[in-house]
Amino acid sequence: ETGVTQTPRHLVMGMTNKKSLKCEQHLGHNAMYWYKQSAKKPLELMFVYNFKEQTENNSVPSRFSPECPNSSHLFLHLHTLQPEDSALYLCASSQVRSSGEITDTQYFGPGTRLTVL
Amino acid sequence: GNSVTQMEGPVTLSEEAFLTINCTYTATGYPSLFWYVQYPGEGLQLLLKATKADDKGSNKGFEATYRKETTSFHLEKGSVQVSDSAVYFCALKNTGANNLFFGTGTRLTVIP
Repeated sequence: ETGVTQTPRHLVMGMTNKKSLKCEQHLGHNAMYWYKQSAKKPLELMFVYNFKEQTENNSVPSRFSPECPNSSHLFLHLHTLQPEDSALYLCASSQVRSSGEITDTQYFGPGTRLTVL
Repeated sequence: GNSVTQMEGPVTLSEEAFLTINCTYTATGYPSLFWYVQYPGEGLQLLLKATKADDKGSNKGFEATYRKETTSFHLEKGSVQVSDSAVYFCALKNTGANNLFFGTGTRLTVIP
């Protein structure tokens, strides 16, 4: 396994379902991210984790719940989503310097294509 | 605030044509600038970057120069190939910030 992997690649769910997206990075990084990619919109940063601690939450609705059990794994738990939540969800990771600053380059997974019916 | 504006796509070119994708930015500090590329079915990959004014990033025949006076970071390639068909994203990151700010992406299709 190399790089950043995401499962599942495709997910269709009803508005009352509960599902989880999984991300795993094999790069030895300590920062991980969730982004939402919708058509004709900039990538939206959702959450940032730095050494398993959440450092950013960009006003994301509570129906999205992230979990970072260790520096290599990141989950996004989904509950009572809306059709407008349909999008490509991208996970990324990056290295953290000894100073605590996250380095510039982010490495992305292939994404999970989510459809909410 | 921080934001990135890039040209609307899609862009369709013939093989060996010259490519320019415009990108301008607004930033509160002195950001690093990036171009990421997303090939079909894949995640974003870093294509090139520049960390200060007048720096030129280059990779795989693509180039972009950090122009502070015009707050721009236009992507260019002299001769595109079919394999360059992808979505290209301009992005910025301020020093000390945790995240990147992305543009909306520009889809490039190169036809033989």
